[in-house]
Amino acid sequence: GAGVSQSPSNKVTEKGKDVELRCDPISGHTALYWYRQSLGQGLEFLIYFQGNSAPDKSGLPSDRFSAERTGGSVSTLTIQRTQQEDSAVYLCASSLVLADTQYFGPGTRLTVL
Amino acid sequence: AQSVAQPEDQVNVAEGNPLTVKCTYSVSGNPYLFWYVQYPNRGLQFLLKYITGDNLVKGSYGFEAEFNKSQTSFHLKKPSALVSDSALYFCAVSGRVDSYKLIFGSGTRLLVRP
Repeated sequence: GAGVSQSPSNKVTEKGKDVELRCDPISGHTALYWYRQSLGQGLEFLIYFQGNSAPDKSGLPSDRFSAERTGGSVSTLTIQRTQQEDSAVYLCASSLVLADTQYFGPGTRLTVL
Repeated sequence: AQSVAQPEDQVNVAEGNPLTVKCTYSVSGNPYLFWYVQYPNRGLQFLLKYITGDNLVKGSYGFEAEFNKSQTSFHLKKPSALVSDSALYFCAVSGRVDSYKLIFGSGTRLLVRP
């Protein structure tokens, strides 16, 4: 079946602009996760959703970052007033149930000029 | 705090030879352990995991890993490397309490030469 999909695959934006990154999990997966992959920090956990609820937001780097999930499916990660240090690959993953094996999407490469 | 160490930035092996990619971890209690592989401009692809039970875990594409509790290690192995195995490999750990959060190592680049 179809895997996790993310859009856009690449996003170039100017410093100070807002961006929205989208994730479509594997159909039927109840848990969804966001990670960030950057040269300096490696792979970092950002946030997870169980259904539409995000119980742990402690991984979000700043209050410029927010995420939501609707209908227990699609999730959007929003970064407001982007900074150059936000440049990274943002990876989404989903699992059938929480703590089950996480399957990753191809990522969105964000470049902030 | 939970952490994962992959001590080798790069591992070089000849095709047909056995390969080992090392991983050690630190976590409170019993860990969940994972290996993922990343090909260029691709997301992470799941290889195998250890949850409980047999210390030797077999995964995709002929890879296996051995959980060693006393050495807190989870090294990835394959008996005979292929050129197509060349990629970036990540070890990850999660604890039983916050099992939703994967903590990744820094990655090891595997280069298999023909």
